[in-house]
Amino acid sequence: DVKVTQSSRYLVKRTGEKVFLECVQDMDHENMFWYRQDPGLGLRLIYFSYDVKMKEKGDIPEGYSVSREKKERFSLILESASTNQTSMYLCATRGPRRGSSYEQYFGPGTRLTVT
Amino acid sequence: QQQVKQSPQSLIVQKGGIPIINCAYENTAFDYFPWYQQFPGKGPALLIAIRPDVSEKKEGRFTISFNKSAKQFSLHIMDSQPGDSATYFCAASYNTDKLIFGTGTRLQVFP
Repeated sequence: DVKVTQSSRYLVKRTGEKVFLECVQDMDHENMFWYRQDPGLGLRLIYFSYDVKMKEKGDIPEGYSVSREKKERFSLILESASTNQTSMYLCATRGPRRGSSYEQYFGPGTRLTVT
Repeated sequence: QQQVKQSPQSLIVQKGGIPIINCAYENTAFDYFPWYQQFPGKGPALLIAIRPDVSEKKEGRFTISFNKSAKQFSLHIMDSQPGDSATYFCAASYNTDKLIFGTGTRLQVFP
């Protein structure tokens, strides 16, 4: 079974704080993703990484950065948290293609509240 | 052009009913259309997926219907059960790395 773990289930931070969200996977997958999930907006891609030290911007990268120093770990950084970054953050991984499947495996999410 | 439009936002059916969730897209380069299921407190998980070279795919009680000319695809849940109550997301991909998700449908199945 693929296991994707996220460092916290719930997090409360203050405006202006630097926030680190950690994601660890145990399947040796090359591809890792960070999404945010908001009611009525679905899942939106923030950043993704297809290899160690490689990263690409997703659809909403503003206000975020990422770090991937080891294959199994992908971190999302909020440089200066703002209230509009209150959201559910989901990490996902994807391994090599199997047949026609490009399945992404998601962690349980971190609900971040910025006050 | 990158959007995937999903409807309805919420759906309530009785046990045994056949809820249908619809999605529409614009980008004809999309070549992979998965559906994800998310239970409260969990991350989404792949339910079923289809490629545009087939018009229908069935896995158990879940069926995807795909209409390439209309650029639409839908999820049908046969003989729905209370355990199917969840949020369902359609998605589309054109380069296998990124998934574009719909806005989600919250399904409630009552006994």
